[in-house]
Amino acid sequence: QQPVQSPQAVILREGEDAVINCSSSKALYSVHWYRQKHGEAPVFLMILLKGGEQKGHEKISASFNEKKQQSSLYLTASQLSYSGTYFCGTGLQGAQKLVFGQGTRLTINP
Amino acid sequence: NAGVTQTPKFQVLKTGQSMTLQCAQDMNHEYMSWYRQDPGMGLRLIHYSVGAGITDQGEVPNGYNVSRSTTEDFPLRLLSAAPSQTSVYFCASSYRRDTQYFGPGTRLTVL
Repeated sequence: QQPVQSPQAVILREGEDAVINCSSSKALYSVHWYRQKHGEAPVFLMILLKGGEQKGHEKISASFNEKKQQSSLYLTASQLSYSGTYFCGTGLQGAQKLVFGQGTRLTINP
Repeated sequence: NAGVTQTPKFQVLKTGQSMTLQCAQDMNHEYMSWYRQDPGMGLRLIHYSVGAGITDQGEVPNGYNVSRSTTEDFPLRLLSAAPSQTSVYFCASSYRRDTQYFGPGTRLTVL
């Protein structure tokens, strides 16, 4: 039931773009994206709901393909502050709980 | 607004001991959840609650109990601590299935 994220880790230079994918084998109601810095709590970035409604962050965007039960997070012109581990959380149809993927570690180098 | 608070921040237990991790929120959120985070495993849901008096199991509920007597508080009880329960524990709250706000975490070591 846990969504699968890819890649597991990515290393970029500042200014480069990154895409992080999240896929589920179940019908999704929502996909949430969070970022976690080392030693800190996860922080909300983006939520995508079935039906196309999207809320989120200024320089980070995401897509949600309901038919494929997949979501992608796009980070363009990455900044050093983007470094951290990114988690997708999936809310299933008819379920109240949020289940997270294993995370994608993003490292941005100068 | 304090948001989501967790106590203690650090705890060391011996195998077999019991303890309660405290979680409180002041945002009047209906939903509250407990996650554990182990290296390489992401965030795994232990238990969650959709309102006072209503709780349900997550992915890894064994060895843990919860109760929700008030909207604000959602304590997590370890019944008989085991080394496999060494982890970082996060409590989170949300309005329905919207944005989850995480507490700062409790780092638990079981010897």
